[in-house]
Amino acid sequence: NAGVTQTPKFQVLKTGQSMTLQCAQDMNHEYMSWYRQDPGMGLRLIHYSVGAGITDQGEVPNGYNVSRSTTEDFPLRLLSAAPSQTSVYFCASTKAGLGQGTQYFGPGTRLTVL
Amino acid sequence: GENVEQHPSTLSVQEGDSAVIKCTYSDSASNYFPWYKQELGKGPQLIIDIRSNVGEKKDQRIAVTLNKTAKHFSLHITETQPEDSAVYFCVNGKTSYDKVIFGPGTSLSVIP
Repeated sequence: NAGVTQTPKFQVLKTGQSMTLQCAQDMNHEYMSWYRQDPGMGLRLIHYSVGAGITDQGEVPNGYNVSRSTTEDFPLRLLSAAPSQTSVYFCASTKAGLGQGTQYFGPGTRLTVL
Repeated sequence: GENVEQHPSTLSVQEGDSAVIKCTYSDSASNYFPWYKQELGKGPQLIIDIRSNVGEKKDQRIAVTLNKTAKHFSLHITETQPEDSAVYFCVNGKTSYDKVIFGPGTSLSVIP
């Protein structure tokens, strides 16, 4: 299994541009999440999904959209990039069920907005 | 809203010594308390977790303790090694796969 994959690894955008961060998992996990990581602030939840067709907002959803059309994929869309969105973005997946809970993280996407 | 405090923010220990990281949380409905380790340039990785019906859990050199009354939990690493150097995050949530809250992280350096 490849686990959780994210593309691209690095991206530079200009203010106002849009882009999609890709995330895919091959473990058939029901739950997927997007986090952003900023210095000294840990990881903050942007959006999450409990299954295909179902998404919900996390702690910092403004400026981001998500969709979950398949179990495997959970793309994150930046509609109009702002310098405040400069961050490292991590996608994670989790298997549902009693006793489960481990979040498997991708390698991250480092985004810079100029 | 819910939050998680984590102390210390940085910690340096000599190889072979023990390291302790402490977290407090605010949501009394929390039932799941994992710890994640993040090495430079990588995503976080689960190292140990504990659920609210257990007070302590050990896995080789790593242990986690939970005090639900006081709303705090701690990570203990014994016989530290240079490869333990990383950023450690405490996390808590109502369930293991519900929305979880990350602490701000502790940067641990183990000096050979």
